[in-house]
Amino acid sequence: QSALTQPASVSGSPGQSITISCTGTSSDVGGYNYVSWYQQHPGKAPKLMIYDVSNRPSGVSNRFSGSKSGNTASLTISGLQAEDEADYYCSSYTSSSPWVFGGGTKLTVL
Amino acid sequence: QITLKESGPTLVKPTQTLTLTCTFSGFSLSTSGVGVGWIRQPPGKALEWLALIYWNDDKRYSPSLKSRLTITKDTSKNQVVLTMTNMDPVDTATYYCAAGDHAFDIWGQGTMVTVSS
Repeated sequence: QSALTQPASVSGSPGQSITISCTGTSSDVGGYNYVSWYQQHPGKAPKLMIYDVSNRPSGVSNRFSGSKSGNTASLTISGLQAEDEADYYCSSYTSSSPWVFGGGTKLTVL
Repeated sequence: QITLKESGPTLVKPTQTLTLTCTFSGFSLSTSGVGVGWIRQPPGKALEWLALIYWNDDKRYSPSLKSRLTITKDTSKNQVVLTMTNMDPVDTATYYCAAGDHAFDIWGQGTMVTVSS
């Protein structure tokens, strides 16, 4: 099972919005509404930010939102803050594994 | 409050078998829909899903590692155990266990495993 494709890095200034893409296939992202996003700060365990494409767990800021179109899912962070600087990973249910992660995106807040 | 904690050796030799234990609290692995999985992360690299066991003892494995992995659960002890055979230096990573149904809602702190002679 190949990893989902994410950009290696994105950046934005405080207050701006950024979007991270996660591209898969019809066997994973496109075939199921079980896409999730995780935030990972250096030396820490990942934290669930979005599940089932666009749902936020309790306690996650509403500045984080998720969406999906075809085989590509997206995570949008609005009103960027310094503490948002982290690595972000997408994950999807698949028809085979059943789970696969993306390669990760490093977000830099300028 | 849901918590998970990984335990096991920090150093294993090449060709040895790694056994990791995930001890959890705050939920039951006999509850319909719940699963506990293992994910690893080599230093400086991406997350890699390894295995998952569901409340009904359904077990799933990463296709690329399936021949080396075994996942089991002990519901009475609230534990999930992962064994990985024939360890190699490329298996050096932080190993996490995590719980959830449609996603990995809660993660353990992770345990670093180094494979070296």
